[in-house]
Amino acid sequence: KAGVTQTPRYLIKTRGQQVTLSCSPISGHRSVSWYQQTPGQGLQFLFEYFSETQRNKGNFPGRFSGRQFSNSRSEMNVSTLELGDSALYLCASSPSGSSADTQYFGPGTRLTVL
Amino acid sequence: AQSVTQLDSQVPVFEEAPVELRCNYSSSVSVYLFWYVQYPNQGLQLLLKYLSGSTLVESINGFEAEFNKSQTSFHLRKPSVHISDTAEYFCAVSPYGGATNKLIFGTGTLLAVQP
Repeated sequence: KAGVTQTPRYLIKTRGQQVTLSCSPISGHRSVSWYQQTPGQGLQFLFEYFSETQRNKGNFPGRFSGRQFSNSRSEMNVSTLELGDSALYLCASSPSGSSADTQYFGPGTRLTVL
Repeated sequence: AQSVTQLDSQVPVFEEAPVELRCNYSSSVSVYLFWYVQYPNQGLQLLLKYLSGSTLVESINGFEAEFNKSQTSFHLRKPSVHISDTAEYFCAVSPYGGATNKLIFGTGTLLAVQP
């Protein structure tokens, strides 16, 4: 099976712009989670989607949003970008969304905000 | 709430030497425990996980971790490391029984294997 894919791999934006990142999970996986990775804060949970419903959300401002489509593909959107949003954004998928599941991570999207 | 502590941000070690990466967690509910590894410019991949049963779990590439409930620890060990083991290692927990598979990560330990 193909792994988790994320597009684009790299993005450069300026403050105030908005950005949309895409994630295609492993075929058959119904849960998609998003994480932000920065040198200062480490890996932080953004949100999780299961069967097109957001099940959990991390402690991020409302500028961060996401959605999941019927084919389990997911997008996350960040509006009004700030310098501090520069990070590696990782998407992970799992088969059933159980907390015992292994999560399979994509290679990430590196976002740089200038 | 849950938290994970990895006290060592970096562990330098010579090739073929043993290594231990420490992980302690705090949680008011029972959790599943995971170790993920991140190679440069890549995403994370699962190394091993503890769900239940035997407290010693092993990976296919020689790593092992032991769950110690009384000390709330899940330290990762390898008896003999290789250059190719150089990577960042993340300990994580997920509370079980909840309707989510959110992972709470530690800050990571960079394992630097030197020849």
